[in-house]
Amino acid sequence: GENVEQHPSTLSVQEGDSAVIKCTYSDSASNYFPWYKQELGKRPQLIIDIRSNVGEKKDQRIAVTLNKTAKHFSLHITETQPEDSAVYFCAGVSGGGADGLTFGKGTHLIIQP
Amino acid sequence: NAGVTQTPKFQVLKTGQSMTLQCAQDMNHEYMSWYRQDPGMGLRLIHYSVGAGITDQGEVPNGYNVSRSTTEDFPLRLLSAAPSQTSVYFCASSYSLLNYGYTFGSGTRLTVV
Repeated sequence: GENVEQHPSTLSVQEGDSAVIKCTYSDSASNYFPWYKQELGKRPQLIIDIRSNVGEKKDQRIAVTLNKTAKHFSLHITETQPEDSAVYFCAGVSGGGADGLTFGKGTHLIIQP
Repeated sequence: NAGVTQTPKFQVLKTGQSMTLQCAQDMNHEYMSWYRQDPGMGLRLIHYSVGAGITDQGEVPNGYNVSRSTTEDFPLRLLSAAPSQTSVYFCASSYSLLNYGYTFGSGTRLTVV
């Protein structure tokens, strides 16, 4: 099955700076990579996703890049704001998808005022 | 349209007791799954279903049973609760196996004493 590694586990940035979270995956057949944001005590919510036929996708201050050759993908948040503080999870779909999403262990993003 | 509804939100069980966590969705999603979330472990798949009458095991299925008699409902049963099952449980659903983000329920915080 799929194995997803996520780094760093904690990331602290100054408000207004950029944040980058990186994930690697093991299954070369994986073709869908979503990112979820989880605020304290809340459910994970999808914030952006990318498919394997696309190298980059942007949505306002959030972007995701995918390098299929190296089997890694990254989340980029620009002009960080206090409301960006949360735990972020990357995920990949293994094989034919029946095994569902395999999640990374999460990154706690802290925005310092 | 309520999305994914989980009940109860909180539960305390004694070791050896059994209980059922309820999950229902009203989006006509074929794919449903149960995850548990533990500190530092991310989200781990317990069981999943690709449609009514079809279920399968995920990464950590021991001690749990599921059934899918209708498209809408996917209950998770704890057969004989153990302290190791203390966790936050999330139900999630998706339109399709591949290339679609999950919608998560609000979670059930379970404590086994």
